[in-house]
Amino acid sequence: DAKTTQPTSMDCAEGRAANLPCNHSTISGNEYVYWYRQIHSQGPQYIIHGLKNNETNEMASLIITEDRKSSTLILPHATLRDTAVYYCIVRVASGGSNYKLTFGKGTLLTVNP
Amino acid sequence: EAQVTQNPRYLITVTGKKLTVTCSQNMNHEYMSWYRQDPGLGLRQIYYSMNVEVTDKGDVPEGYKVSRKEKRNFPLILESPSPNQTSLYFCASSAWGVQETQYFGPGTRLLVL
Repeated sequence: DAKTTQPTSMDCAEGRAANLPCNHSTISGNEYVYWYRQIHSQGPQYIIHGLKNNETNEMASLIITEDRKSSTLILPHATLRDTAVYYCIVRVASGGSNYKLTFGKGTLLTVNP
Repeated sequence: EAQVTQNPRYLITVTGKKLTVTCSQNMNHEYMSWYRQDPGLGLRQIYYSMNVEVTDKGDVPEGYKVSRKEKRNFPLILESPSPNQTSLYFCASSAWGVQETQYFGPGTRLLVL
């Protein structure tokens, strides 16, 4: 699975958009970009995933660059409850029999009032 | 409500005293997995199961056992706990072919004295 690089921490004002970058310059053509988050000591929570097209769901938007070497997770209107560690994970969709997720260090997003 | 439950949520025990952490999901998922999370090491997979009676080792299986006798349950067994197994444990599940959307339990915090 491709390695990802994320900033250690970011701040965002409540109500503003939070843009979390992820670099995955060694991504392969069959690897997807997944985003999860973990609110302090709770179980990780799936947010969104994509291959090459931009994706949007009720939680967030995912923007993937045309060369797929980087992506940005956008939380359009951050709230205090969005304070969490956000993980960018790159892996193949059909990874054999083990759906293991490899979590890096992630980005600690702090949403301030 | 779709969920993964773990019990107990908190446990303090002593070295060598066998314990079981239960994991149950109500989504009829085929895939289930156990992770441990330690400061600076992130989440590491212990064991996983693709279906009933099908289990396999993850990255850090030493000192742990699992069983999958029923589809909904995937208990983690520590036959002889040691202090280095003090950790935060998470169970996860997903449907076959939908690996990107993994559901995680709330976590079990274990302290082995």
